[in-house]
Amino acid sequence: EPEVTQTPSHQVTQMGQEVILRCVPISNHLYFYWYRQILGQKVEFLVSFYNNEISEKSEIFDDQFSVERPDGSNFTLKIRSTKLEDSAMYFCASSAWTGSGYTFGSGTRLTVV
Amino acid sequence: AQKVTQAQTEISVVEKEDVTLDCVYETRDTTYYLFWYKQPPSGELVFLIRRNSFDEQNEISGRYSWNFQKSTSSFNFTITASQVVDSAVYFCALSEPTSGSRLTFGEGTQLTVNP
Repeated sequence: EPEVTQTPSHQVTQMGQEVILRCVPISNHLYFYWYRQILGQKVEFLVSFYNNEISEKSEIFDDQFSVERPDGSNFTLKIRSTKLEDSAMYFCASSAWTGSGYTFGSGTRLTVV
Repeated sequence: AQKVTQAQTEISVVEKEDVTLDCVYETRDTTYYLFWYKQPPSGELVFLIRRNSFDEQNEISGRYSWNFQKSTSSFNFTITASQVVDSAVYFCALSEPTSGSRLTFGEGTQLTVNP
């Protein structure tokens, strides 16, 4: 069964450093997403991406965040200058169309120290 | 604006008991989709079911069943004869394709099944 792949599974970074989280969505999916889950809390939407541009973003997705699909297969989330409160599990997801099943990756646990 | 409420923060049952997890949603759209995901201790999100707003038939899959009632805006999930492996956090989620593509999650219900 096709799956969404995320790397790395864990990342520890120092406050103020830039991090890039990587995802390979399912190949025939058109919509790509990033979600965040702070430990013990609910899963929160960050951004959706369609046709090589951001289609929707939440208030969490400020200027420190950016997304890119650099080569037609990878989908990345960059945090420019990490803060302690960016520590969370970050999930990538993809879907064939809006409302179809969303397939989630296994997540990247980001720890900012 | 879309909203999902899972009022039960934690539920604890003994193995073989039946348990129902509640989900109430708010939406202004007539077309929407409802989901349930399981998050085991390992952390990944496991898809359980997707239901569109035009299909109110209840669904059963093995020990799992779902009761969708538009009249009360609820999409409840029942596990029959619970097992220890069912212990996880369960999230209900909503998407409104005509308003955007995001999934809005509820707060989740931590289910603990004790032997």
